[in-house]
Amino acid sequence: SAVISQKPSRDICQRGTSLTIQCQVDSQVTMMFWYRQQPGQSLTLIATANQGSEATYESGFVIDKFPISRPNLTFSTLTVSNMSPEDSSIYLCSAGGRGITGELFFGEGSRLTVL
Amino acid sequence: GIQVEQSPPDLILQEGANSTLRCNFSDSVNNLQWFHQNPWGQLINLFYIPSGTKQNGRLSATTVATERYSLLYISSSQTTDSGVYFCAVLLLDGNNRLAFGKGNQVVVIP
Repeated sequence: SAVISQKPSRDICQRGTSLTIQCQVDSQVTMMFWYRQQPGQSLTLIATANQGSEATYESGFVIDKFPISRPNLTFSTLTVSNMSPEDSSIYLCSAGGRGITGELFFGEGSRLTVL
Repeated sequence: GIQVEQSPPDLILQEGANSTLRCNFSDSVNNLQWFHQNPWGQLINLFYIPSGTKQNGRLSATTVATERYSLLYISSSQTTDSGVYFCAVLLLDGNNRLAFGKGNQVVVIP
């Protein structure tokens, strides 16, 4: 299994500001992902974080709003830019190995509230 | 895209009761995972189960891939079992992306 740490665990932010969430995995993993969970909803995939190259975004998510970095196999960041109250969500980092047998694990999430 | 449906959406249990949660999916998948999200938002891996049956303490899961469903059984429920249970399927596109159901909200009352 993989142990995934996220920082911050929670934050209250002002409208129009940006916040960067960090994700650290305790072992080298092939795949890293970022998910969003809006209040009372399920998880929605934002993007796949690719090591050393641009992230692959899902429909409805764009790089200008959610820039992602992944400088190595164990670390990634997600920035939520120019925040509005609609961005209030739990943001979760996920990681695992590639392949059809790749079990995925999640960090404890970062709960953002935008005022 | 693939549809993942979970039932029942909400469930209230008396402590000690047993329950079954169901996950139906609309297409062939590479794998399936069950998670428990606790009240603090943390997502805990319960089962990684492409097919067959697995047991872990009071919890067990069965996936019948040919019929596109999975079941999660909770026996002798405890208040700590409260939370949301998510089923997620691994898409066949080879990119290890998970598609989540909407979850089963479970409340266990003493």
